[in-house]
Amino acid sequence: KQEVTQIPAALSVPEGENLVLNCSFTDSAIYNLQWFRQDPGKGLTSLLLIQSSQREQTSGRLNASLDKSSGRSTLYIAASQPGDSATYLCAAQGGSEKLVFGKGTKLTVNP
Amino acid sequence: EPEVTQTPSHQVTQMGQEVILRCVPISNHLYFYWYRQILGQKVEFLVSFYNNEISEKSEIFDDQFSVERPDGSNFTLKIRSTKLEDSAMYFCASSGQGTDYGYTFGSGTRLTVV
Repeated sequence: KQEVTQIPAALSVPEGENLVLNCSFTDSAIYNLQWFRQDPGKGLTSLLLIQSSQREQTSGRLNASLDKSSGRSTLYIAASQPGDSATYLCAAQGGSEKLVFGKGTKLTVNP
Repeated sequence: EPEVTQTPSHQVTQMGQEVILRCVPISNHLYFYWYRQILGQKVEFLVSFYNNEISEKSEIFDDQFSVERPDGSNFTLKIRSTKLEDSAMYFCASSGQGTDYGYTFGSGTRLTVV
């Protein structure tokens, strides 16, 4: 059974700092891994999708990497801004269509 | 950019009542899903739907739950007799064909059972 863990659970940084969010998964037989952003009481906004054949994806200040063999993914945020404050979720898609989510990292970027 | 639309955004219902949560997936997507998130907990899978039938469901998705695609655009989740523990945010999602496509989630329906 796939388990997804995210560390740290919460992170507070000053504006402008580069930061890394970590995601680990127990079953390396995944088809893809997706990172989402969730604002309080809101839905899930897709940030990046990494397919199993890929090692990383970039969108603007965001870069996500995937290492299937070690069961890890990281989300790198460059030059963080207060508007980046949100909870970041990673989710792994395995042999079925369903996504298995981590509990998220709550990020606070202080001005 | 195409969106998944969910209605209502918030629903309050009395315990034992039936509720129907509605979703309009992205028009050319083939896979449809319901997930839920109890306050402070992980987002968890309920059910996936493909080709007009359930393709997978979790242990949570018991006989109290059902899904339907009544026409070419809507996708609904019905809870027959709500319990207090059904209070959660319910998310609808859709994806394109195959596992090469990511999910697009709706903004959710917050269900409160009193």
